[in-house]
This record gives sequence, structure tokens and C-alpha cells, in this order.
Amino acid sequence: QVQLQESGPGLVEPSQTLSLTCTVSGGSISSGSYYWSWIRHHPGKGLEWIGYMYNSGSTYYNPSLKSRVIISVDTSKNQFSLKLSSVTAADTAVYYCARDLGDNSGYYFWGQGTLVTVSS
Amino acid sequence: YELTQPPSVSVSPGQTARITCSGDALPKKYGYWYQQKPGQAPVLVIYKDNERPSGIPERFSGSSSGTTVTLTISGVQAEDEADYYCQSADTSAHVVFGGGTKLTVL
Repeated sequence: QVQLQESGPGLVEPSQTLSLTCTVSGGSISSGSYYWSWIRHHPGKGLEWIGYMYNSGSTYYNPSLKSRVIISVDTSKNQFSLKLSSVTAADTAVYYCARDLGDNSGYYFWGQGTLVTVSS
Repeated sequence: YELTQPPSVSVSPGQTARITCSGDALPKKYGYWYQQKPGQAPVLVIYKDNERPSGIPERFSGSSSGTTVTLTISGVQAEDEADYYCQSADTSAHVVFGGGTKLTVL
């Protein structure tokens, strides 16, 4: 059974870069045709897709965040990461990493989520 | 590109709840449904319009017609009270979520 776990700072100062890592267990991040994604949930609002990585390195980003987002992979550690630059209070959210069922067919595996607060 | 859901739906226990999701690309793209309870990660309850992942109760079903996909929960139980989100993709393969529907079990 695939398991995902987010890690990273819970507090980031405005204008700085938010950095999170998702550690994958129970399966190799470099095998299969899977989409590895970052999704966030703003307090009291809906889910927002940030971007995904597939084929061990190809990426696709939400157009509204594209200029600030980088998703990368470290296959040696079975991890993938999120960097979101120039953060503001509007980036305060619970951040999830997730994996689909295959061929971009719905996110079945999710991490528990990590709250990131942007504040000075 | 947007997916439009009703903000809220209310039903009594044992009744049928239907939650709709509308989007222009839905005739060409699959719809997916997630259940999210407070403090928990979302759970995929329907994929590819009408497929149910293992472990999801049979009372959850999905359908698609034109620009609308629908999540149906038959015989609603108190434990089904949650937020429900539809998800799909636009023509450029960007993932999109609906705004969410709060299901209240009266």
C-alpha cells in the first residue's frame, strides 16, 4: 500500500519561499505511469490543484501559480518536493501531496496534509 | 475553466442525495468525486465518471450527461455528512476542482 507523508516548516515569512517534501513509501516514485501532485486547501475554502509531476520529471502547473512553483523529484530518496516562492498570507493553507490511480485518473493516495502559515 | 457545484445539499437519513457538477469540458473529460471530512484528507469516492474504488460503499454512484456529472448517495447515512468536491481537467490537462458542496444530513 502506497503511503505519502508531507514534511516541512509550518511557518513561512511573507516574501520567502515555501518548501515541502513528500516522502513515498510502499512503492517506487519512478515506476509506473503515475501523477504525483501537490494540492492545497485554504481554510474555509475549497481544494486547489498546484501542479503535478509525471514520468519522473515532467511537470504541469496551475496557470495561476506557474510563475512561483517548482515541483521536483529525488528518486534516490523516493521523494518529490514543492517550492512556492514569494509567498503571501493568501498562501496559508493545508498542503497535501497525492498520487493518482494511474494515467491521471483521480487522486487515490493522499498524505495527511501539513498546515503552512504565512506570517511574520 | 471552472467546475460549478451547489454550495450545499441537505437530506434526511435514508434519502437520496444528488450533487451536481457542471463544466464545459465534461463531455470530453472524466469527472471525479472526493469526500472530505473536517481535519482529514480527501477520499476518492468516484473516478472516471462512474467507477467506484475498492472500499467505497455501493450507495455511492456517479453518472455523466453532457456538461454535468452527478454524485448520487443512496440511503444517506449520518456518516456521509461531509464536503464533496468534483474534479476534472481542462483541455490543456490542467486539473480543476469544483468549489465544493457541503452535504448536511438532517
